[in-house]
Order: sequence, then C-alpha cells, then structure tokens
Amino acid sequence: EAGVTQFPSHSVIEKGQTVTLRCDPISGHDNLYWYRRVMGKEIKFLLHFVKESKQDESGMPNNRFLAERTGGTYSTLKVQPAELEDSGVYFCASSQDIGSAYEQYFGPGTRLTVT
Amino acid sequence: RKEVEQDPGPFNVPEGATVAFNCTYSNSASQSFFWYRQDCRKEPKLLMSVYSSGNEDGRFTAQLNRASQYISLLIRDSKLSDSATYLCVVRPGSFQKLVFGTGTRLLVSP
Repeated sequence: EAGVTQFPSHSVIEKGQTVTLRCDPISGHDNLYWYRRVMGKEIKFLLHFVKESKQDESGMPNNRFLAERTGGTYSTLKVQPAELEDSGVYFCASSQDIGSAYEQYFGPGTRLTVT
Repeated sequence: RKEVEQDPGPFNVPEGATVAFNCTYSNSASQSFFWYRQDCRKEPKLLMSVYSSGNEDGRFTAQLNRASQYISLLIRDSKLSDSATYLCVVRPGSFQKLVFGTGTRLLVSP
C-alpha cells in the first residue's frame, strides 16, 4: 500500500511569490492533516480535513495560507504571498478514521525555503 | 509555556545502555498520548501509543501519569538503530490534531 506522498520535496522561492504544496493521502483515508515545522521549533498543527470539509483550521497562521481538498482526495496548501517566516518543513498526514485507535501516517514533507 | 515539554538532549549512550525520556503536558483534558520517532530529515513515525496502565513493546516501555501530566519512554538494550529523535505527542480533548514536543535526540554509539 502506498503511503502519504507530498510534492514537491523541496521548494525555494523568493519572498512575495506563491507556492502550492500538494499532498496525496493513503487511499481510502478520509482524514487529512497539515502540519509544519519551522526551524528550531516543534511540529505544529495547521488544519484537519474530513473528506472535503475543513474540520479544524485553528492552526492556520494567517490568511496568506489557503488549504483545499476538492473531491475529498488530494489536498493543496497555497502560500500567497510567501514571507521569510514561512520557511520550514510542511508535513501532511492522513488517517482512516478519527480516534486514538487510528494512526496518523505522515508523508515525507515538503521543505520550503523562502529567500 | 509549551503544551508539551521535553528535554531536547542529545542523549549520548553506548550500545546496550538503558535510556529514559520524560515529557510533561499542560492540558489536563488531553486524551491520547504517543511517542513518535523521527529520523534525520524524515517524517515522524508512530513508535507506540501510551496507556494509563503502562505498555511495553519489546525493548520499549511507555508510561503515563495523568495526575502529574507526565509521560515517559524507556528504551532497554539500546541499538545503534535506535539513534533518532523521539517526539512526545499528545492529542488534546476531542480534537484530532496532534500536539508535539520539540523532541529528544538520542545518539547510540558502538
């Protein structure tokens, strides 16, 4: 079974540009999560989709970040315009269902560098 | 105050040693607790869930003290392959989001 995949693996952009990150969850997983780790800090939650609906977006830092999951399959996270402090590793995770019995499987992450 | 606090380490131990990691969490309504392992430049992977009664998986033992809001991980007979960062993770309340500690780095040497 294929795991969570993310594209691109690395992205280097200039401040003010736009970047779109993509996540493909494990097939059949309705729950999709975005997290990010900025340099020297802990991994932090951004938002949670159940199918195509945003269940919890309490971690989104500001309105420069837009996440979508049209059709309830893959998800995109757009940063527009990017700022220096957006640099970090963006992880996507998916789970089959909710609850402690259902593991969140993480993708390899997208390393974003804003210069 | 961080929601989940861990000693960042690094912990440098020889092969065969026993090492213990500790973690505290601030949200008393937290319901689920985990240890994740993260190798350098890789994604976090679930090592084990932590239950109130304590649980063991091979060389790994996890314990939870809800009264003290304290979680521990004990690794016995350390292997070189155990070198990684160990993340203490909590799921607060009814939300599904995971709250991570900064991680404790373990280096096992020959």
